[in-house]
Amino acid sequence: EVQVVESGGGLVKPGGSLRLSCAASGFSFSSAWMNWVRQAPGKGLEWVGRIKSKSDGGITDYAAPVKDRFTISRDDSTNTVYLQMNSLKAEDTAVYYCSNRAVPFWGQGTLVTVSS
Amino acid sequence: QAVVTQEPSLTVSPGGTVTLTCGSSTGAVTSGHYPYWIQQKPGQAPRTLIYDTNNKHSWTPARFSGSLLGGKAALTLSGAQPDDEADYYCFLSYSGARVFGGGTKLTVL
Repeated sequence: EVQVVESGGGLVKPGGSLRLSCAASGFSFSSAWMNWVRQAPGKGLEWVGRIKSKSDGGITDYAAPVKDRFTISRDDSTNTVYLQMNSLKAEDTAVYYCSNRAVPFWGQGTLVTVSS
Repeated sequence: QAVVTQEPSLTVSPGGTVTLTCGSSTGAVTSGHYPYWIQQKPGQAPRTLIYDTNNKHSWTPARFSGSLLGGKAALTLSGAQPDDEADYYCFLSYSGARVFGGGTKLTVL
């Protein structure tokens, strides 16, 4: 079964850090370009960033609001993609999802709440 | 950064046909933008209906189809059912970035 499972969310203070994980299964992860997407409460979907496959250089790209604060990495040995979030702000509060074209049903996401 | 535009809301009658569109501030949407269409119902995780303009997943109901129409990406629903009431997001790829549209709230009434 093709699926992704996000984890690692929680409550963090402004300025803090958090690392999210996304465990993938059922598709060729090593060749997959993986996206992180977020959804603030009551709002639409927002692209956060993407990591290409290692064979495509492992290049990362980020949305402007998170550039220089967030870092995406991957571990093909465990089929896991990570989102390291630093200098968190209240506006980063959202459910975070990972996605790829091979995955029709997204995971449930992981909730990140940034609040003092 | 590019802005992706969608109709904020649309209404379709049960059994009717409706087309949702997805435009880009940079110009015409092409297959090179690899348009996705994503469905999200209240309280649920998103589901990808269409990827790369017109490719369906195995779960995608046959009544949904994707295309390029008049310089935009389009999602056509033929034979709407009450279960199709949801938010629909398009998602375009640009060099070094991807951008979601603001979503279309589809009401089946």
